[in-house]
Amino acid sequence: DAGITQSPRHKVTETGTPVTLRCHQTENHRYMYWYRQDPGHGLRLIHYSYGVKDTDKGEVSDGYSVSRSKTEDFLLTLESATSSQTSVYFCAIRGPGGDYEQYFGPGTRLTVT
Amino acid sequence: GDSVTQMEGPVTLSEEAFLTINCTYTATGYPSLFWYVQYPGEGLQLLLKATKADDKGSNKGFEATYRKETTSFHLEKGSVQVSDSAVYFCALSDPTQGGSEKLVFGKGTKLTVNP
Repeated sequence: DAGITQSPRHKVTETGTPVTLRCHQTENHRYMYWYRQDPGHGLRLIHYSYGVKDTDKGEVSDGYSVSRSKTEDFLLTLESATSSQTSVYFCAIRGPGGDYEQYFGPGTRLTVT
Repeated sequence: GDSVTQMEGPVTLSEEAFLTINCTYTATGYPSLFWYVQYPGEGLQLLLKATKADDKGSNKGFEATYRKETTSFHLEKGSVQVSDSAVYFCALSDPTQGGSEKLVFGKGTKLTVNP
């Protein structure tokens, strides 16, 4: 258990509304990631962070922003949600060893109507 | 760029059957390789890993060997159980791409094991 929680676990929202998803970790890991999972696409990286206030884009970052003001929290914001952003969102942390494995949270299922 | 290709599913087996899920990769460097498992309604769990050529990762009866010559990391289990029903993802991390922070995933293979 890597001590990762995500909130909310489920959310339904309307097109055009802002949405923020939270990832919280308890073990002071430096690297944190946001992925989305869609059928037929596997997991795709949205954004990641390599420290407080240090973030970078992944392969599907359009329409998403992130913030990390504390080590333990990594926020993903959809400024104006669209139906194409209906997905399951996973947060992950990079493990402390040198092998680059990641450990995942339980996910947030987001539906944009 | 780096990529991972794994066999299309779904795969349906009877209990105690032998399992192979194929995974091949493309990478310019020497990646670390991983298998993750996702049970229904849950996040991904690291199943096993291998970090250099000829390494064998193993866990819970599953095995995979890092084959550099064939750029493969096939997942095997000698006797599957109903509880192995899940989606399996192959993934790599390639430090030489300056992307050691990131994992590249295959699309996943859904396994169903019938009693």
